[in-house]
Amino acid sequence: QSVLTQPPSVSAAPGQKVTIPCSGSSSNIGNNYVSWYQQLPGTAPKLLIYDNNKRPSGIPDRFSGSKSGTSATLGITGLQTGDEADYYCGTWDSSLSAVLFGGGTKLTVL
Amino acid sequence: QVQLVESGGGLVKPGGSLRLSCEASGFSLSDYYMTWIRQAPGKGLEWVSYITGNGDTIYYADSVKGRFTISRDNAKNSLYLQMNSLRAEDTAVYYCARDLRNKGLDCWGQGTLVTVSS
Repeated sequence: QSVLTQPPSVSAAPGQKVTIPCSGSSSNIGNNYVSWYQQLPGTAPKLLIYDNNKRPSGIPDRFSGSKSGTSATLGITGLQTGDEADYYCGTWDSSLSAVLFGGGTKLTVL
Repeated sequence: QVQLVESGGGLVKPGGSLRLSCEASGFSLSDYYMTWIRQAPGKGLEWVSYITGNGDTIYYADSVKGRFTISRDNAKNSLYLQMNSLRAEDTAVYYCARDLRNKGLDCWGQGTLVTVSS
């Protein structure tokens, strides 16, 4: 079981909005940067959000990140069938001296 | 074009060793922290190890501590992972990634599959 908690799955209709939460503690999310990754089937993960809420070049503004206390959230608006993927949150844990990933959330666009 | 290419994966017996390589192009490896992450079949991401730009700080996941060694050769623009005393539970696709000093992993390789089985 991951130290960072994500729901196993979420779903929404095309064009709608979805949020994916990631819950942690003061030793990880509470005092470190959060990043989010998208993994399409059979491919390597891709960075969507870094430094809590920044998007790398080429990532559309349909993807957003936020952090409050010991939780973080990935938001995706204007859902497309191509957004169907696994999404992971990640952060550093100062107590464990380790990088942590959430267990992953499978997004289904109905 | 920024790119990472892993190599060195394969089939190895329990207790055996393997050395993974990650060759960087399009940027200078010495300017970045670098990280190894693995993903067991059908499972989520698991961080393995990271190393700072000049190699003076290294961290390992508890699951590999004492068995795996991360290293880098900045002159060759390459990152390595020496894996000893391999176990069945080490079976996974291993990715190298460029690390923005714990703010995120912004470039990933395609991965190399390591299978530990008799």
